[in-house]
Amino acid sequence: SQKIEQNSEALNIQEGKTATLTCNYTNYSPAYLQWYRQDPGRGPVFLLLIRENEKEKRKERLKVTFDTTLKQSLFHITASQPADSATYLCALKAGNNRKLIWGLGTSLAVNP
Amino acid sequence: DADVTQTPRNRITKTGKRIMLECSQTKGHDRMYWYRQDPGLGLRLIYYSFDVKDINKGEISDGYSVSRQAQAKFSLSLESAIPNQTALYFCATSEAGGGSPDTQYFGPGTRLTVL
Repeated sequence: SQKIEQNSEALNIQEGKTATLTCNYTNYSPAYLQWYRQDPGRGPVFLLLIRENEKEKRKERLKVTFDTTLKQSLFHITASQPADSATYLCALKAGNNRKLIWGLGTSLAVNP
Repeated sequence: DADVTQTPRNRITKTGKRIMLECSQTKGHDRMYWYRQDPGLGLRLIYYSFDVKDINKGEISDGYSVSRQAQAKFSLSLESAIPNQTALYFCATSEAGGGSPDTQYFGPGTRLTVL
């Protein structure tokens, strides 16, 4: 069956370090993979999108990689800050699907 | 002003009552969605609409109905609310287009409690 997996355990890191979150998928051939940030009680906010033919995308302190052989995306936040503490969701869009498929998210806590 | 708005933001109701949640958007997007989010279960799609005449069930549509009154408005109804419909509800929009990544823009959410 089709599945997206994000680490269910919360990630705790020290301010200034790089946070790395993982999104693994099976039985998909995604055309796009997206990352969103969600703060408690609020709607998810789009951060970055990467296409199947791209290996890496950057935006300020954020970096996303996409390995279609490993069926994995990594989301990195460099020089992390306490304000980066949130839940991060990955979402896939297969080329022939009409809707996004969502992971459950990984909670990140950046400690001062 | 927010691009995607939801009303009400909070609602407490009793079992058996009819409830309507409303969503409006000013982004000009054709596609609109209703999700519910429960702790540990993530975002689950209830209904989605790709235009005013195209409405589709999501993975958990039982007990819910929707109406797409215009491109900008998409409402969700619970005909007879039950306690396990207590959740955080989100409306979202995305642009149409062949091969679109469907990047989604969410409203602020409605916290619904059914007693």
